[in-house]
Amino acid sequence: GENVEQHPSTLSVQEGDSAVIKCTYSDSASNYFPWYKQELGKRPQLIIDIRSNVGEKKDQRIAVTLNKTAKHFSLHITETQPEDSAVYFCAVNDYKLSFGAGTTVTVRA
Amino acid sequence: NAGVTQTPKFQVLKTGQSMTLQCAQDMNHNSMYWYRQDPGMGLRLIYYSASEGTTDKGEVPNGYNVSRLNKREFSLRLESAAPSQTSVYFCASSRDREGYTFGSGTRLTVV
Repeated sequence: GENVEQHPSTLSVQEGDSAVIKCTYSDSASNYFPWYKQELGKRPQLIIDIRSNVGEKKDQRIAVTLNKTAKHFSLHITETQPEDSAVYFCAVNDYKLSFGAGTTVTVRA
Repeated sequence: NAGVTQTPKFQVLKTGQSMTLQCAQDMNHNSMYWYRQDPGMGLRLIYYSASEGTTDKGEVPNGYNVSRLNKREFSLRLESAAPSQTSVYFCASSRDREGYTFGSGTRLTVV
């Protein structure tokens, strides 16, 4: 199955700063790369995704970049706010989604 | 439109007891999945069902069985619970292999 590595495991940022989370994957045939946000005690929810025919996608303060050659993709959150504090998971599809281990993001006020 | 509904939300079992976790979706999705979530390990796939009538093992299937009862429902059964199965269990569904929708989770403790 797909091997997805996610870094860092924890990230603490000052409110207003940017946060970047990186993931690498092993299967070059993968073509769908979603990011999920999970608040404490809640279910994971899709926040943004990207397909292999696109290099970058933005949605307000969040963006995802994909480098298929290097087999890595990243989540960028700009102008972080306290409500961005959560666990973020990257995922990659083969016959199902394989998830990274998660990054706990804490935004300090 | 409830999305993905899981029951129960919380459960405490004694070692050796059995139980079934229920999951139902009302989005007419073909595929359904069961994941477990443990601290620092992300979401690991237990079993999945790509379509009604089919089920397949995921990454961590030992100690579990599943039933795809119909297109809407996908249950997970623990025949003889062990403390190592203490976890949060999430059911999910998708139309194809993208756009997963998760249920609210079942927090299971085995003592």
